[in-house]
Amino acid sequence: SQELEQSPQSLIVQEGKNLTINCTSSKTLYGLYWYKQKYGEGLIFLMMLQKGGEEKSHEKITAKLDEKKQQSSLHITASQPSHAGIYLCGADISGNQFYFGTGTSLTVIP
Amino acid sequence: DAGITQSPRHKVTETGTPVTLRCHQTENHRYMYWYRQDPGHGLRLIHYSYGVKDTDKGEVSDGYSVSRSKTEDFLLTLESATSSQTSVYFCAISGAERGSGELFFGEGSRLTVL
Repeated sequence: SQELEQSPQSLIVQEGKNLTINCTSSKTLYGLYWYKQKYGEGLIFLMMLQKGGEEKSHEKITAKLDEKKQQSSLHITASQPSHAGIYLCGADISGNQFYFGTGTSLTVIP
Repeated sequence: DAGITQSPRHKVTETGTPVTLRCHQTENHRYMYWYRQDPGHGLRLIHYSYGVKDTDKGEVSDGYSVSRSKTEDFLLTLESATSSQTSVYFCAISGAERGSGELFFGEGSRLTVL
């Protein structure tokens, strides 16, 4: 969707390295969601952020939403091969239309 | 896991034929969505529903129609399939208002139009 810009499009990292994925909108986000998708499978919910400045962590993954609620980042610490997949941000931007970014393909090299 | 199933999971059809994909939920959720996923485009919203007989268009609705005659079923119809509609289609459901709840996704339906 053009409503959500996600970067980078793809990422190849060595196991153990940290990485960050960004998601940006020109509009205020009514809830920002991060999903992970393993190749050829459905989407798995990771985290939801609603408040400006909010930060959540689960295991080695941390997501933040900026104060203006227009940008979010997903940070993975000490990446592992199990982190590989496609990461998508999603948000309710207008009414109940839920949009997604174009996704970031993550490869972790052992 | 949310009770959401899509059928068929895989379909190969020819250009010009009608195709219907079904999304069935057992969660009694109000909102249902159809997305298509294509390389380089991520997930794009086709149509969504906010209740029985209440549907609206998403960003890529041309060539698609939907129907929701009961809470648990949301049907996506391609009246006359084209090769550009070859894609993986995902159904999603949500019980929450405006961005306050997560979407639960089905496993996807892979459609190939020859």
